[in-house]
Amino acid sequence: QVQLEESGPGLVKPSETLSLTCGVSGYSIGSGFYWGWIRQPPGKGLEWIASIYHTGNTYYKPSLRSRVTMSVDTAKNQISLDLKSVTAADTAVYYCARIWDGFRGGQYYYYMDVWGKGTTVTVSS
Amino acid sequence: VLTQSPGTLSLSPGERATLTCRASQSLRSTYFAWYQQMPGQAPRLLIYGASSRATGIPDRFSGSGSGTEFTLTISRLEPEDFAVYYCQHYGGSPSFGPGTRVHI
Repeated sequence: QVQLEESGPGLVKPSETLSLTCGVSGYSIGSGFYWGWIRQPPGKGLEWIASIYHTGNTYYKPSLRSRVTMSVDTAKNQISLDLKSVTAADTAVYYCARIWDGFRGGQYYYYMDVWGKGTTVTVSS
Repeated sequence: VLTQSPGTLSLSPGERATLTCRASQSLRSTYFAWYQQMPGQAPRLLIYGASSRATGIPDRFSGSGSGTEFTLTISRLEPEDFAVYYCQHYGGSPSFGPGTRVHI
Protein backbone atom coordinates (compact mmCIF):
# COMPACT_ATOMS: atom_id res chain seq x y z
CA GLN A 1 0.00 0.00 0.00
CA VAL A 2 1.43 3.30 -1.10
CA GLN A 3 1.57 5.96 1.59
CA LEU A 4 2.77 9.54 1.48
CA GLU A 5 3.74 11.65 4.47
CA GLU A 6 4.49 15.34 4.33
CA SER A 7 6.75 17.12 6.79
CA GLY A 8 7.58 20.76 7.22
CA PRO A 9 8.43 23.54 9.66
CA GLY A 10 4.88 24.49 10.62
CA LEU A 11 5.73 28.17 10.97
CA VAL A 12 7.74 30.27 8.53
CA LYS A 13 8.54 33.96 8.69
CA PRO A 14 7.59 36.26 5.83
CA SER A 15 10.26 36.56 3.11
CA GLU A 16 11.90 33.29 4.17
CA THR A 17 11.98 30.02 2.25
CA LEU A 18 9.50 27.25 3.00
CA SER A 19 10.94 23.76 2.64
CA LEU A 20 8.74 20.66 2.63
CA THR A 21 9.42 16.99 2.11
CA CYS A 22 7.15 14.10 1.25
CA GLY A 23 8.29 10.62 2.17
CA VAL A 24 6.92 7.77 0.10
CA SER A 25 6.48 4.24 1.42
CA GLY A 26 5.19 1.15 -0.32
CA TYR A 27 6.47 2.25 -3.71
CA SER A 28 9.84 3.16 -5.16
CA ILE A 29 9.74 6.64 -6.67
CA GLY A 30 12.39 5.62 -9.17
CA SER A 31 10.00 3.09 -10.69
CA GLY A 32 7.82 5.76 -12.27
CA PHE A 33 4.84 8.05 -11.79
CA TYR A 34 4.64 11.76 -11.45
CA TRP A 35 4.46 13.29 -7.98
CA GLY A 36 2.88 16.59 -7.09
CA TRP A 37 2.35 19.26 -4.48
CA ILE A 38 -1.09 20.77 -3.94
CA ARG A 39 -2.03 23.33 -1.32
CA GLN A 40 -5.23 24.50 0.33
CA PRO A 41 -5.44 27.86 2.08
CA PRO A 42 -7.67 27.93 5.17
CA GLY A 43 -11.30 27.61 4.15
CA LYS A 44 -10.50 27.61 0.44
CA GLY A 45 -10.10 25.18 -2.42
CA LEU A 46 -7.26 23.17 -3.86
CA GLU A 47 -4.39 24.70 -5.81
CA TRP A 48 -1.83 22.69 -7.74
CA ILE A 49 1.71 23.99 -7.23
CA ALA A 50 4.14 21.68 -9.00
CA SER A 51 4.76 18.19 -10.35
CA ILE A 52 7.86 16.12 -10.94
CA TYR A 53 8.61 12.91 -12.78
CA HIS A 54 10.91 10.34 -11.25
CA THR A 55 13.56 11.38 -13.77
CA GLY A 56 13.48 14.92 -12.40
CA ASN A 57 11.42 16.65 -15.09
CA THR A 58 9.48 19.39 -13.34
CA TYR A 59 6.33 21.37 -14.06
CA TYR A 60 5.36 24.46 -12.11
CA LYS A 61 2.25 26.58 -11.83
CA PRO A 62 3.12 29.62 -13.95
CA SER A 63 2.20 32.15 -11.26
CA LEU A 64 4.51 30.44 -8.75
CA ARG A 65 7.31 29.42 -11.10
CA SER A 66 9.69 32.15 -10.01
CA ARG A 67 9.50 31.07 -6.36
CA VAL A 68 9.16 27.28 -6.52
CA THR A 69 11.67 24.47 -6.80
CA MET A 70 10.62 20.83 -6.67
CA SER A 71 13.07 17.95 -6.51
CA VAL A 72 13.13 14.18 -6.19
CA ASP A 73 15.54 12.04 -4.16
CA THR A 74 15.19 8.44 -5.28
CA ALA A 75 17.74 7.25 -2.72
CA LYS A 76 15.65 8.60 0.14
CA ASN A 77 12.41 7.88 -1.74
CA GLN A 78 11.10 11.36 -1.17
CA ILE A 79 10.15 14.51 -3.00
CA SER A 80 10.76 18.05 -1.82
CA LEU A 81 9.37 21.51 -2.37
CA ASP A 82 11.06 24.84 -1.74
CA LEU A 83 8.96 28.00 -1.89
CA LYS A 84 10.94 31.17 -1.43
CA SER A 85 9.96 34.68 -0.41
CA VAL A 86 6.81 33.50 1.33
CA THR A 87 3.99 35.80 2.38
CA ALA A 88 0.83 35.31 4.40
CA ALA A 89 -0.86 34.24 1.17
CA ASP A 90 1.25 31.08 1.24
CA THR A 91 -0.36 29.96 4.50
CA ALA A 92 -2.04 26.67 3.69
CA VAL A 93 -2.19 22.94 4.18
CA TYR A 94 0.31 21.45 1.75
CA TYR A 95 -0.40 18.02 0.30
CA CYS A 96 1.77 15.74 -1.78
CA ALA A 97 0.13 13.32 -4.16
CA ARG A 98 0.97 10.59 -6.62
CA ILE A 99 -0.15 11.42 -10.12
CA TRP A 100 -1.19 9.01 -12.83
CA ASP A 101 -0.22 10.78 -16.03
CA GLY A 102 -0.13 8.16 -18.72
CA PHE A 103 -1.80 5.36 -20.57
CA ARG A 104 -4.18 2.91 -18.98
CA GLY A 105 -6.15 0.44 -21.07
CA GLY A 106 -5.23 2.26 -24.27
CA GLN A 107 -6.39 5.67 -23.06
CA TYR A 108 -4.35 8.51 -21.66
CA TYR A 109 -5.44 9.52 -18.15
CA TYR A 110 -4.51 12.14 -15.58
CA TYR A 111 -5.54 11.96 -11.94
CA MET A 112 -4.11 12.08 -8.43
CA ASP A 113 -4.71 8.70 -6.86
CA VAL A 114 -2.79 8.74 -3.58
CA TRP A 115 -2.57 11.70 -1.23
CA GLY A 116 -0.67 12.41 1.95
CA LYS A 117 -2.49 13.69 5.02
CA GLY A 118 -1.04 17.16 4.55
CA THR A 119 1.12 19.47 6.60
CA THR A 120 -0.01 22.87 7.83
CA VAL A 121 2.21 25.83 7.09
CA THR A 122 1.62 29.23 8.64
CA VAL A 123 3.52 32.27 7.43
CA SER A 124 3.78 34.77 10.23
CA SER A 125 6.35 36.86 12.01
CA VAL B 1 -11.73 27.54 -15.81
CA LEU B 2 -13.87 25.05 -13.92
CA THR B 3 -17.06 26.08 -12.17
CA GLN B 4 -19.07 23.83 -9.85
CA SER B 5 -22.73 24.01 -8.99
CA PRO B 6 -24.37 24.26 -6.68
CA GLY B 7 -21.90 25.74 -4.24
CA THR B 8 -23.75 24.08 -1.40
CA LEU B 9 -26.20 21.20 -1.47
CA SER B 10 -28.45 20.50 1.50
CA LEU B 11 -29.78 16.96 1.50
CA SER B 12 -30.71 14.12 3.81
CA PRO B 13 -29.28 10.61 4.08
CA GLY B 14 -30.84 8.36 1.47
CA GLU B 15 -31.41 11.18 -1.01
CA ARG B 16 -29.77 11.50 -4.39
CA ALA B 17 -27.08 14.13 -4.96
CA THR B 18 -26.23 15.56 -8.34
CA LEU B 19 -23.15 17.75 -8.60
CA THR B 20 -22.13 19.53 -11.78
CA CYS B 21 -18.80 20.80 -13.04
CA ARG B 22 -18.73 23.05 -16.09
CA ALA B 23 -15.84 24.26 -18.17
CA SER B 24 -15.44 27.30 -20.38
CA GLN B 25 -14.20 25.09 -23.21
CA SER B 26 -14.48 21.45 -24.17
CA LEU B 27 -12.42 19.11 -21.99
CA ARG B 28 -10.90 15.73 -22.65
CA SER B 29 -12.87 13.26 -20.55
CA THR B 30 -9.92 11.06 -19.70
CA TYR B 31 -8.25 14.03 -18.04
CA PHE B 32 -11.24 14.68 -15.75
CA ALA B 33 -11.56 13.52 -12.12
CA TRP B 34 -13.64 13.99 -8.99
CA TYR B 35 -12.33 14.08 -5.42
CA GLN B 36 -14.05 13.93 -2.03
CA GLN B 37 -12.68 15.85 0.93
CA MET B 38 -14.06 15.18 4.38
CA PRO B 39 -13.49 17.81 7.08
CA GLY B 40 -9.90 17.88 8.25
CA GLN B 41 -8.83 15.21 5.80
CA ALA B 42 -6.94 15.02 2.56
CA PRO B 43 -8.82 14.75 -0.72
CA ARG B 44 -9.63 11.24 -1.94
CA LEU B 45 -9.92 10.22 -5.56
CA LEU B 46 -13.46 9.12 -6.39
CA ILE B 47 -13.73 9.13 -10.16
CA TYR B 48 -11.13 9.30 -12.93
CA GLY B 49 -11.61 9.51 -16.66
CA ALA B 50 -14.94 11.22 -15.96
CA SER B 51 -16.72 7.92 -15.26
CA SER B 52 -14.38 5.28 -13.81
CA ARG B 53 -14.59 4.65 -10.09
CA ALA B 54 -11.30 4.55 -8.23
CA THR B 55 -10.32 1.49 -6.24
CA GLY B 56 -12.54 0.93 -3.24
CA ILE B 57 -15.13 3.57 -4.13
CA PRO B 58 -18.71 2.38 -3.54
CA ASP B 59 -20.96 2.00 -6.57
CA ARG B 60 -23.37 4.64 -5.27
CA PHE B 61 -20.85 7.12 -6.71
CA SER B 62 -20.98 7.57 -10.46
CA GLY B 63 -19.54 10.05 -12.91
CA SER B 64 -20.72 11.07 -16.32
CA GLY B 65 -20.45 13.81 -18.88
CA SER B 66 -18.30 15.08 -21.68
CA GLY B 67 -17.30 18.27 -23.40
CA THR B 68 -18.07 21.19 -21.12
CA GLU B 69 -20.33 19.53 -18.54
CA PHE B 70 -19.55 16.72 -16.12
CA THR B 71 -21.69 15.26 -13.35
CA LEU B 72 -21.02 13.40 -10.14
CA THR B 73 -24.02 11.51 -8.81
CA ILE B 74 -24.35 9.96 -5.39
CA SER B 75 -27.37 7.67 -5.68
CA ARG B 76 -28.23 7.35 -1.99
CA LEU B 77 -26.38 9.55 0.44
CA GLU B 78 -24.77 7.86 3.39
CA PRO B 79 -23.80 9.87 6.51
CA GLU B 80 -20.11 9.67 5.55
CA ASP B 81 -20.80 11.24 2.14
CA PHE B 82 -21.39 14.69 3.57
CA ALA B 83 -18.22 16.41 2.45
CA VAL B 84 -16.80 18.77 -0.14
CA TYR B 85 -16.40 17.50 -3.69
CA TYR B 86 -13.93 18.91 -6.19
CA CYS B 87 -13.67 18.39 -9.89
CA GLN B 88 -10.27 18.49 -11.55
CA HIS B 89 -9.01 18.63 -15.09
CA TYR B 90 -5.61 18.47 -16.70
CA GLY B 91 -5.09 20.82 -19.62
CA GLY B 92 -1.34 21.21 -19.70
CA SER B 93 -1.45 21.79 -15.95
CA PRO B 94 -4.00 20.51 -13.45
CA SER B 95 -6.74 22.75 -12.15
CA PHE B 96 -9.51 22.25 -9.62
CA GLY B 97 -13.02 23.54 -9.41
CA PRO B 98 -14.04 25.60 -6.37
CA GLY B 99 -15.90 22.69 -4.78
CA THR B 100 -19.44 21.75 -3.83
CA ARG B 101 -20.24 21.27 -0.18
CA VAL B 102 -22.80 18.57 0.51
CA HIS B 103 -24.29 18.89 3.96
CA ILE B 104 -27.25 17.72 5.92
